[in-house]
Amino acid sequence: QKEVEQDPGPLSVPEGAIVSLNCTYSNSAFQYFMWYRQYSRKGPELLMYTYSSGNKEDGRFTAQVDKSSKYISLFIRDSQPSDSATYLCAMFIYNQGGKLIFGQGTELSVKP
Amino acid sequence: DTGVSQDPRHKITKRGQNVTFRCDPISEHNRLYWYRQTLGQGPEFLTYFQNEAQLEKSRLLSDRFSAERPKGSFSTLEIQRTEQGDSAMYLCASSLAGAVYEQYFGPGTRLTVT
Repeated sequence: QKEVEQDPGPLSVPEGAIVSLNCTYSNSAFQYFMWYRQYSRKGPELLMYTYSSGNKEDGRFTAQVDKSSKYISLFIRDSQPSDSATYLCAMFIYNQGGKLIFGQGTELSVKP
Repeated sequence: DTGVSQDPRHKITKRGQNVTFRCDPISEHNRLYWYRQTLGQGPEFLTYFQNEAQLEKSRLLSDRFSAERPKGSFSTLEIQRTEQGDSAMYLCASSLAGAVYEQYFGPGTRLTVT
């Protein structure tokens, strides 16, 4: 079993929809949780990171962490065609170096 | 705005040949990471440096792989005697040592071994 599980999709939504992307993890020692966006044939782009349980908002994006359930989410409001990309969750344990553990990525398509 | 750069962007090589990739991190970042990503998967950690010191290597980094960061600035990743299974995107990232949660990735080098 992988340490971080993410539904690969693909997920297709109409423009303006609210998108929910999710990851589950098995290692309760994970402390930091990141969301990256990756366009086709490009490197991942850091969207947000969170440390504690709860919500963190940045524009149309909200990251949610529930450590008791080992579950994290990224919500995208008013989705746009330019949001079409693969979304990767990542996490790590702070005092164990800088190794990020990534999920498989969810492919999102926002249709005009 | 100078982000992380990687060179070359694409490399096609024959099985058995050696290849070398270069990564130039964000200038003030003292940590540099290498990851590998295959199609449909998330990146997998290979190794990382703090300044010129290589602090951790993954089990994925076989003896055919070697990475260096000689002056604590740019880094090179060499693969000797390439195999078809080495075909992947090789990603470099950098961060400040005190902000490891903010790793910024380069565009990657796509390696195809024929």
